[in-house]
Amino acid sequence: GAGVSQSPSNKVTEKGKDVELRCDPISGHTALYWYRQSLGQGLEFLIYFQGNSAPDKSGLPSDRFSAERTGGSVSTLTIQRTQQEDSAVYLCASSPGPWLAGANSYEQYFGPGTRLTVT
Amino acid sequence: AQTVTQSQPEMSVQEAETVTLSCTYDTSENNYYLFWYKQPPSRQMILVIRQEAYKQQNATENRFSVNFQKAAKSFSLKISDSQLGDTAMYFCAFIDASGGSYIPTFGRGTSLIVHP
Repeated sequence: GAGVSQSPSNKVTEKGKDVELRCDPISGHTALYWYRQSLGQGLEFLIYFQGNSAPDKSGLPSDRFSAERTGGSVSTLTIQRTQQEDSAVYLCASSPGPWLAGANSYEQYFGPGTRLTVT
Repeated sequence: AQTVTQSQPEMSVQEAETVTLSCTYDTSENNYYLFWYKQPPSRQMILVIRQEAYKQQNATENRFSVNFQKAAKSFSLKISDSQLGDTAMYFCAFIDASGGSYIPTFGRGTSLIVHP
């Protein structure tokens, strides 16, 4: 079946503009995660959705960042008034859900990422 | 809070040889899962191998195996018969399955280069 998809794959924007990044998780996966990865760095957790709810928004770096998920499926990460330090690869991942037995319920399936460049 | 430490920022190995990547973690929980993910250059991150904490037997997936030492909180990844396609960033990850947070904790990664 189809994997996690993200769009756009690349986005170049001017400082101060708003951007929207989209994630389509694997069908049936209830958990969805957003991460940020700066060049050569590890993963910075941003936000986690279980269904349409976001029980943990603690990773959002500022109030310029917001995210929503609709229909338990597609998610959008919005960055308002972009700054140069927002430049990074934004990764989305989905997983089946925590109530299934076994490690595979927690396995993360990653999308290809959106490379955001703020000029 | 859980922490995951990968003490080797970079590693290199000759093709066909064996290499071991280290990962240690800190947790007070007893029910958790551990994962190794691989991120090839400019490519998507994928799962390499996973381990349930309640299983004593070390997980294996073809050329990839782990050495899981629960008491020592160590979860190293062994790659046997290294191939050029194994060149990638490798991330160790921990997730608490005790009913708390479902957010994984990732290490900072180890960059592995396989030389021909």
